[in-house]
Amino acid sequence: EIVLTQSPATLSLSPGERATLSCRASQSVGSFLAWYQQKPGQVPRLLIYEASTRATGIPARFSGSGSGTDFTLTISSLEPEDSAVYFCQNRSNWPKTFGQGTKVEIK
Amino acid sequence: EVQLLESGGGLVQPGGSLRLSCVASGFAFNNFAMTWVRQAPGKGLEWIAEIRATGSVTYYADSVKGRLTISRDNSKNTLYLELDSLRADDTAVYYCAKDHKVSVSGVLRGHYYGLDVWGQGTTVTVS
Repeated sequence: EIVLTQSPATLSLSPGERATLSCRASQSVGSFLAWYQQKPGQVPRLLIYEASTRATGIPARFSGSGSGTDFTLTISSLEPEDSAVYFCQNRSNWPKTFGQGTKVEIK
Repeated sequence: EVQLLESGGGLVQPGGSLRLSCVASGFAFNNFAMTWVRQAPGKGLEWIAEIRATGSVTYYADSVKGRLTISRDNSKNTLYLELDSLRADDTAVYYCAKDHKVSVSGVLRGHYYGLDVWGQGTTVTVS
């Protein structure tokens, strides 16, 4: 089973700042990693797939990078509505595990 | 509109059973793999099961293998999850989700590209 480790656990930043979230896999997933956003009381939403491709309707301030075992989700300029928990997911093989999440707080 | 609607959650005693349903609409259900993901109160997301479009192949997380069964009825556009021998740590919101497909060399392919549509979830409480 591939274990995904996300860091930091919590990120507290001001509007307009850049957020950098990390997801590290215990073994290579190639480029097959997805990112999701979950706002309080809402269902998860697909942000990024194949490490760097934005899903339909996702603002350009969200970008993903990485391959193999190290991945990054970057929010270039935080908006108040970006307050959420962000999860990465292994899409390479089964079980398609999730990371434990990074909570982004807007000051 | 593409939509997934779960039902069947509720309060059940330890050792009991439950059957969750997820009705799909707005897309060709029989062309997509489907997944169940759960989220315990205040916790993260846990991938628990996936079923191929035809229903011929299933995959499970080790934590639920032998106790949970995923199935589908493509004639009814419905995904199911049978939960048996329920334990307190099965308490969670259970989401069904649809595979995202991407055009690769002119052919729509799934598996690798995330879960693009989620239901609103159904709550299972084991107590």
